[in-house]
Amino acid sequence: EAGVAQSPRYKIIEKRQSVAFWCNPISGHATLYWYQQILGQGPKLLIQFQNNGVVDDSQLPKDRFSAERLKGVDSTLKIQPAKLEDSAVYLCASSPGTSGTGELFFGEGSRLTVL
Amino acid sequence: AQSVTQLDSQVPVFEEAPVELRCNYSSSVSVYLFWYVQYPNQGLQLLLKYLSGSTLVKGINGFEAEFNKSQTSFHLRKPSVHISDTAEYFCAVSNNAGKSTFGDGTTLTVKP
Repeated sequence: EAGVAQSPRYKIIEKRQSVAFWCNPISGHATLYWYQQILGQGPKLLIQFQNNGVVDDSQLPKDRFSAERLKGVDSTLKIQPAKLEDSAVYLCASSPGTSGTGELFFGEGSRLTVL
Repeated sequence: AQSVTQLDSQVPVFEEAPVELRCNYSSSVSVYLFWYVQYPNQGLQLLLKYLSGSTLVKGINGFEAEFNKSQTSFHLRKPSVHISDTAEYFCAVSNNAGKSTFGDGTTLTVKP
């Protein structure tokens, strides 16, 4: 079974530029998550989708971050314009159910450096 | 709101010694509890989880954790660690809506 795919693995941009990250979850998984992991910290939830609807985006900085999940499958996270403090690893995870009892399956992450 | 506190940011131990990584959580509703492990240059993977029933749960690689509702804790233990256990360990809580919140992690370093 293929795991969670993310791209690009690494991205370096200058502040005020834009960047987009892509995630393809495990086939059939209903729930998709985007997390931001700053060096030395744990993953912080940005947005949670169930199928193609948003369940929780309370910690998404909506003035610069946006995310969508097309047709309830793959997802894109965009940052525009980027700030220095956005330097982090962006993790995508998926889970088969919607009840919170299932484990999260993580991709390898997309490392963003903002100069 | 729910939150997770991992009480130790770094835990150095010698090989074959026992280890305990501490995790406390806070939530106004019932939660499910998880430990994930991140080996160097790899993604996070599930170590074990507590959903209900027996408060002692066993996971992969000889790890186990005990759920203590009165102390709102979910500490991870292993009786004898190996060099290969060197990794970052994350405690997480999840609610019925599937919202998963992680702690800041504990770096376990096993020394020969």
